[in-house]
Amino acid sequence: EAGVTQFPSHSVIEKGQTVTLRCDPISGHDNLYWYRRVMGKEIKFLLHFVKESKQDESGMPNNRFLAERTGGTYSTLKVQPAELEDSGVYFCASSLALNTGELFFGEGSRLTVL
Amino acid sequence: QKEVEQDPGPLSVPEGAIVSLNCTYSNSAFQYFMWYRQYSRKGPELLMYTYSSGNKEDGRFTAQVDKSSKYISLFIRDSQPSDSATYLCAMSTGNQFYFGTGTSLTVIP
Repeated sequence: EAGVTQFPSHSVIEKGQTVTLRCDPISGHDNLYWYRRVMGKEIKFLLHFVKESKQDESGMPNNRFLAERTGGTYSTLKVQPAELEDSGVYFCASSLALNTGELFFGEGSRLTVL
Repeated sequence: QKEVEQDPGPLSVPEGAIVSLNCTYSNSAFQYFMWYRQYSRKGPELLMYTYSSGNKEDGRFTAQVDKSSKYISLFIRDSQPSDSATYLCAMSTGNQFYFGTGTSLTVIP
């Protein structure tokens, strides 16, 4: 069974540009989460989808971040325009059940904004 | 104050040693307690998951939760070089997950 896959693994862009990160969760997992880890800090929650609906987006930093999950399958996270402080590793995770600790993480998309 | 506090280390131990990793937390609403292992350039991988206070054992790994003290631990017995990784504690209210910063562990052969 395929795990959570993320693309790209690394993206280097200039301040002001746009980047779109993609996450393919494990098939059948309704719950999809986006997290971010800034260097030296803990992994922080960004948002949570249940199928195609945003269950909780309280962790989204600002309106430069837009997440979508059309059709309840894969998800995209767009940063537009990117700022220097957006650099970090963006992790996607999926889970089968809501109230469980079993999050399955992708390998992350490393974003560097110059 | 952070929701979850974890000593970042780094921690270096000889092969075969017992390793103790710890986290403290402040939110009494946390119900689920997890330990993740993360190898370099990889995503976190769930190691242990507990719901209540007490101990849970899985092979060489034991997770301990003390809700009264808001303290969780992970013990690794007979540590192996392959255990070298960053260990992240995580806690959940049932919706959002909160992570520690991770403890970097190196097991020296």
